[in-house]
Amino acid sequence: GAVVSQHPSRVICKSGTSVKIECRSLDFQATTMFWYRQFPKQSLMLMATSNEGSKATYEQGVEKDKFLINHASLTLSTLTVTSAHPEDSSFYICSAQEGQVNTEAFFGQGTRLTVV
Amino acid sequence: GQNIDQPTEMTATEGAIVQINCTYQTSGFNGLFWYQQHAGEAPTFLSYNVLDGLEEKGRFSSFLSRSKGYSYLLLKELQMKDSASYLCALFLRGNKLTFGTGTQLKVEL
Repeated sequence: GAVVSQHPSRVICKSGTSVKIECRSLDFQATTMFWYRQFPKQSLMLMATSNEGSKATYEQGVEKDKFLINHASLTLSTLTVTSAHPEDSSFYICSAQEGQVNTEAFFGQGTRLTVV
Repeated sequence: GQNIDQPTEMTATEGAIVQINCTYQTSGFNGLFWYQQHAGEAPTFLSYNVLDGLEEKGRFSSFLSRSKGYSYLLLKELQMKDSASYLCALFLRGNKLTFGTGTQLKVEL
């Protein structure tokens, strides 16, 4: 299947700093990518839809100024957690789909963010 | 919302069969996915149902009934490595996935 690469896999940052997470589709083009957050022993919660060449669409309750999403090319989306706080510590996962309709979502490896 | 519910935890014996249920309330969706997720890793694809009925893939089968708002994942010949979290997810308009609450399966000897 298609490959989605997410980097870094783990990051520890100080409270108040910003962290950038990259999501790349390695062998296909993705006009849309998705960012999820998963707290321990909970399911994945969709944060936002990243659209190539346009603004991201955020789910209700997700602060767009805190979680900056940039989808500058058909193979790369980035999520920047700005002014990180300990409560932002979580597992962040991106996904991308190769086609437009009814196609399997391929997930990145996930990023474990710890804010100290 | 879609209110996608799954049992929180299940325990089964190696070699046995286990059925993980997923119920949902939604006005419409394109299809239903099942994913497996080991702790600290990304979900991996197991199956996808668009039409009602059973989809079989080796040791894994998934069933969907749109009229009943119900799906299940059937795992046969359980192995220790099947201990993981299992997530059902609705594939909505705009290619969005909305995940269920997840079921933590523990396979014992």
